[in-house]
Amino acid sequence: EPEVTQTPSHQVTQMGQEVILRCVPISNHLYFYWYRQILGQKVEFLVSFYNNEISEKSEIFDDQFSVERPDGSNFTLKIRSTKLEDSAMYFCASSKVGGETQYFGPGTRLLVL
Amino acid sequence: GIQVEQSPPDLILQEGANSTLRCNFSDSVNNLQWFHQNPWGQLINLFYIPSGTKQNGRLSATTVATERYSLLYISSSQTTDSGVYFCAVEYSGDYKLSFGAGTTVTVRA
Repeated sequence: EPEVTQTPSHQVTQMGQEVILRCVPISNHLYFYWYRQILGQKVEFLVSFYNNEISEKSEIFDDQFSVERPDGSNFTLKIRSTKLEDSAMYFCASSKVGGETQYFGPGTRLLVL
Repeated sequence: GIQVEQSPPDLILQEGANSTLRCNFSDSVNNLQWFHQNPWGQLINLFYIPSGTKQNGRLSATTVATERYSLLYISSSQTTDSGVYFCAVEYSGDYKLSFGAGTTVTVRA
């Protein structure tokens, strides 16, 4: 069964450094999403992406964040200058069309020191 | 925004027991999904169920959209069912999921 994959599984970085989290959505899916979960808290929506542009973003998704689909398979989340409070599990998800089942990747656990 | 409330917050079960988890939401929804977060943090999709009833093995779910709630049933629980169960809804046509706080289930052997 096709699944969403994410790399790396864990990343440790210093405050102020840039990080890029990578995702490979399911191949015939058209909608892509990033969510995050701070330890012990609920999962929060960050951004959705369709047709090579952002379709929705939350207030968390400020100028420090960006997303890109650099080729036909990868979907990336970049954090330009990490803060301590960016430490969280970041999930990528995809759906075939909007409003249908969103399938989540295994997550990248980011720790900012 | 929409409010998504899950109950109970914690549930301890003896292996073999049955249980019901509830998700209430404050507005009409277009999409509702149930997830299981395992001890490694992975979110496993259980059901896409904006309305009606579905079954998958020992798990089943019912959403009564007109009354704004959904139920997840776990029958004959096993230790591998332990983890956090999340309900998530999409309500405004923008396809973003809003998650509840989860129900933490512990199944004891």
